[in-house]
Amino acid sequence: KAGVTQTPRYLIKTRGQQVTLSCSPISGHRSVSWYQQTPGQGLQFLFEYFSETQRNKGNFPGRFSGRQFSNSRSEMNVSTLELGDSALYLCASSLGIGGGRAYEQYFGPGTRLTVT
Amino acid sequence: GQQLNQSPQSMFIQEGEDVSMNCTSSSIFNTWLWYKQDPGEGPVLLIALYKAGELTSNGRLTAQFGITRKDSFLNISASIPSDVGIYFCAGPGNAGNNRKLIWGLGTSLAVNP
Repeated sequence: KAGVTQTPRYLIKTRGQQVTLSCSPISGHRSVSWYQQTPGQGLQFLFEYFSETQRNKGNFPGRFSGRQFSNSRSEMNVSTLELGDSALYLCASSLGIGGGRAYEQYFGPGTRLTVT
Repeated sequence: GQQLNQSPQSMFIQEGEDVSMNCTSSSIFNTWLWYKQDPGEGPVLLIALYKAGELTSNGRLTAQFGITRKDSFLNISASIPSDVGIYFCAGPGNAGNNRKLIWGLGTSLAVNP
C-alpha cells in the first residue's frame, strides 16, 4: 500500500505571498491532519479533515486554511505569508473512525516551506 | 487542556546502552502511540498500545501502557547510531467524539558511536 505523499517537498516564497500544499492520504484513510513543526518545537496541530469536513482545529490564525476533496486528498493554504511561517508542514492520514486503530496517524515526508 | 509530558527532554548515550523514556499525563488515555522522527522527515509510528498493562515489542523497542492509564514507557535496548532522532508519544484526547491526537514535546536521542 502506498504511503502518504506530500507535494511539493520544498518551497521558497516571499513574505506576503500565498502558498498551497497538497497531501494524498493512504488509500482507505478518510482523515487527514495537518501539523506545523519549527526547529526544536513539537508538532503544532493545525486542523483535521474527515469526509470533506473540518473536524478539529488548532490555534492558528485564519490565514491558515484547508480543505478535503471527495477522494480524501487534502490541501492547506497559507495566505499573506510571514517570516514566522517558515516551517516543516506535515500531513498525516488515519482511518478516522472506528476503534483504537482509527487514531493511528501515518505521516508524509513533509513540505519544507521557507519564507524570505 | 490535556497534556502529555515527556521525559527526559534529551539524552546522549553511548552505542550499546539501553534507553528508557516515558510519557505522563494527569488524565487518562485509552491509547498510547509512540513515534520516531528522523531529521527533516515525518514521524514514523513505532508501537501502538491499546490496553492498560500491555507490553508490546518491535525489535529492540519495547513499550508499556501504564496500569493507571496515565503513563507509558518506551525502552530501546542495545542502542545503535540509527536510533538517533526524536521520539514522540501521542494519544487521543477525551473531549467529545472527535478526539484529536495530543502530542508530547518529544525526547531527543543522540547516540555516540
